[in-house]
Amino acid sequence: QSALTQPASVSESPGQSIIISCTGTSSDVGGNDYVSWYQQHPGKAPKLMIYDVSKRPSGVSNRFSGSKSDNTASLTISGLQAEDEADYYCSSYTISRTFWVFGGGTKLTVL
Amino acid sequence: QITLKESGPTLVKPTQTLTLTCTFSGFSLSTSGVGVGWIRQPPGGALEWLALIYWDDDKRYSPSLKSRLTITKDTSKNQVVLSMTNVDPVDTATYYCAHTTLLWFSFDSWGQGTLVTVSS
Repeated sequence: QSALTQPASVSESPGQSIIISCTGTSSDVGGNDYVSWYQQHPGKAPKLMIYDVSKRPSGVSNRFSGSKSDNTASLTISGLQAEDEADYYCSSYTISRTFWVFGGGTKLTVL
Repeated sequence: QITLKESGPTLVKPTQTLTLTCTFSGFSLSTSGVGVGWIRQPPGGALEWLALIYWDDDKRYSPSLKSRLTITKDTSKNQVVLSMTNVDPVDTATYYCAHTTLLWFSFDSWGQGTLVTVSS
């Protein structure tokens, strides 16, 4: 059982927007602004898409955005494209415990 | 450009010790704030953070695996080594190493991963 809770799967049509949630506790997601999101295509290594809740690394499309409210973080993907179909993982640093936790992952299907 | 590559055995017997090496380029583990972590992923499963070492030799471990893990670095060789004792078939996974910094608590560059199977 993963420390952070994500929906197992989500699906949406091309051009639409989707929100993937990530629920933790006050010890991780709710306790700091060090939530990150990773995209993983089959057989590939994860790729950092969002860090520090809402910041995008250089080269990541602005169609990807992040936010947080209390113990739940969210990844929003707008203008869905076929290439967005992948697994998405959230992660949070736990300041009080000084380690990282990951979510169980969400499989995004672009219909 | 930061690159990382994992290496080690592909098959390990139960109860043995697994030793994995992460060889990297494009950064130095003697630079303030830099760290290298290990994350694994069982077949069809989720990512699981294992351990991390910082430039100042500060080491962090997953609480659930702490008793079995040891992480070390060789700055001159640009390598980080992870050892896991008493492996079990449930440790079968793809093991990744990844770069991080104290500027952001996330992993911004990842290796390609190496699949390790634990089986007799």
